[in-house]
Amino acid sequence: AQSVAQPEDQVNVAEGNPLTVKCTYSVSGNPYLFWYVQYPNRGLQFLLKYITGDNLVKGSYGFEAEFNKSQTSFHLKKPSALVSDSALYFCAVRDLGGSSNTGKLIFGQGTTLQVKP
Amino acid sequence: DAGVTQSPTHLIKTRGQHVTLRCSPISGHKSVSWYQQVLGQGPQFIFQYYEKEERGRGNFPDRFSARQFPNYSSELNVNALLLGDSALYLCASSLFAGENTEAFFGQGTRLTVV
Repeated sequence: AQSVAQPEDQVNVAEGNPLTVKCTYSVSGNPYLFWYVQYPNRGLQFLLKYITGDNLVKGSYGFEAEFNKSQTSFHLKKPSALVSDSALYFCAVRDLGGSSNTGKLIFGQGTTLQVKP
Repeated sequence: DAGVTQSPTHLIKTRGQHVTLRCSPISGHKSVSWYQQVLGQGPQFIFQYYEKEERGRGNFPDRFSARQFPNYSSELNVNALLLGDSALYLCASSLFAGENTEAFFGQGTRLTVV
């Protein structure tokens, strides 16, 4: 069964410093990986996805993610954090199990990013 | 372009009642999925519909049902509400149902069962 894990409940960084939010995955077959961000009392906003191709994926708001097949990881990164980046971040994997293509997403537990001025 | 719209934004219901949540996808999107997000957890998949047909169902009891209309909007119905159904219910739309397609989420409906 497909699954994702976000090992850190919270990540704290200072504004201007680089940030990394970790995600590891377990899939059978090729992984289809996504990052979403959630601000308080809001839905999820799509940041980026990895389907195939380059291991470094660039997304919205200056975020990027590095796909590492050998380590089964898909860490979210940003070179210089902003206070406005403070939010809840979710890693997700597409569930390809079953007889039909449901497009179902399996989410991690989420990581709270706190960027301090 | 309007994003995914959900109504109502907030709802308070009593145990045993039923509730209907509504979702309008992004124009041109044919697939709608529903997720339940309990406080402190990641969203859990409930249903996906594509071209008005159910494409997938998560591990939820039969009290949960959904449908998609010809205009691709969708309803999620929950009967015999329990306290544990209190959550943020998210609707997501995507162009297709395929694995490559990213999903775009609405702001959600916050359901409180008392």
